[in-house]
Amino acid sequence: TQLLEQSPQFLSIQEGENLTVYCNSSSVFSSLQWYRQEPGEGPVLLVTVVTGGEVKKLKRLTFQFGDARKDSSLHITAAQPGDTGLYLCAGDQSNTGKLIFGQGTTLQVKP
Amino acid sequence: DAGITQSPRHKVTETGTPVTLRCHQTENHRYMYWYRQDPGHGLRLIHYSYGVKDTDKGEVSDGYSVSRSKTEDFLLTLESATSSQTSVYFCAISKGTENTEAFFGQGTRLTVV
Repeated sequence: TQLLEQSPQFLSIQEGENLTVYCNSSSVFSSLQWYRQEPGEGPVLLVTVVTGGEVKKLKRLTFQFGDARKDSSLHITAAQPGDTGLYLCAGDQSNTGKLIFGQGTTLQVKP
Repeated sequence: DAGITQSPRHKVTETGTPVTLRCHQTENHRYMYWYRQDPGHGLRLIHYSYGVKDTDKGEVSDGYSVSRSKTEDFLLTLESATSSQTSVYFCAISKGTENTEAFFGQGTRLTVV
């Protein structure tokens, strides 16, 4: 059983469309992180959300942390082919530094 | 770029042989992690370390052991490799519980035949 559940697992869209990826848990996290991974590379941190209800923006990417700090979402506006990749959410289980990941969302943006 | 080096980058080994993967950091971060990545599973935590000689199990620790004798080095050992351990292995580092933002190595692709 995955402690962090991501949905959808796969997403294939046309350039210019909007999309949302979800990361859900039954546990409370002190913070959640989002990473992006390209083929053959390690994941790279995009953002950390810390406060319940927090919204952070990174150009066309909007990240939100749920009020109860059990879930997070990533919204991409007007997706570009360069957004193609694997998106992963992660959190510190039990505030021990034990960093666990969701199963990831593979995004393909077609020109 | 964070100074994390994994070695080897690629390895093919036979079933039943021991294998050791090395992770070396130059950032002096307290926490180090070993993950494996398989299709449909994201990153699954194998073991992690919160200091020299301090380690703990992750989600998929069976068949793996780790050692950390120096801050900068974290070794992952497959005692007797099996085909189910064919995977891409990633090492990561973070500062600790106050800041778990992780930086990753380039990965090691291990094939057990």
